[in-house]
Amino acid sequence: EVQLLESGGGLVQRGGSLRLSCAASGFTFSSYAMSWVRQAPGKGLEWVSSISDSGDNTYYADSVKGRFIISRDNSKNTLYLQMNSLRAEDTAVYYCAKKIGNTIYYNMDVWGQGTTVTVSS
Amino acid sequence: AIQMTQSPSSLSASVGDRVTITCRASQGIRDDLGWFQQKPGKAPKLLIYAASSLQSGVPSRFSGSGSGTDFTLTISSLQPEDFATYYCLQDYNPPFTFGPGTKVHIK
Repeated sequence: EVQLLESGGGLVQRGGSLRLSCAASGFTFSSYAMSWVRQAPGKGLEWVSSISDSGDNTYYADSVKGRFIISRDNSKNTLYLQMNSLRAEDTAVYYCAKKIGNTIYYNMDVWGQGTTVTVSS
Repeated sequence: AIQMTQSPSSLSASVGDRVTITCRASQGIRDDLGWFQQKPGKAPKLLIYAASSLQSGVPSRFSGSGSGTDFTLTISSLQPEDFATYYCLQDYNPPFTFGPGTKVHIK
């Protein structure tokens, strides 16, 4: 069964850092691009970042560029999101999602259950 | 960045109704669009990709159409489990952008 399991969320102070992880199973992780998407409480979905299958290409939303870093370890079947200089507006449920193909130019067919990040001021 | 709009923002419908949701891009995005369904407290679920391709396991009452700037998601006969919020997403060019969502209520 194809599965994504996020972890690492929690309560952090404004200006602090947090690293999210997403453990993948049931598919050849190294063959697919991956993404992070977030959803603030009561709000819609917001794309955060994507990474190609090899990790060579990364892309970010303007709202997180320069503060967040997406990476992956294909030997561990794990996707990461390093979040620095956290702001109150980063409070959200963060989902990792698998792309249908190997580049970022595909839609997302498998999603994790989400991990909650709360930034306190 | 490409802006995505959706209409309506919400709708009330009855079981068995035909429902149509529209998504419009601020510039042409070929057919690089997906539709997602999300229920409260759950992760989004991909329904349609590449504007009109039905994701595996999704009931055939869901269909998508359009290209360029105008796209449509149609539910041919609304079922009780279809009451949810629906989002479109353009994957033509980063930053990828979601529409604001359409909430489908029970009439």
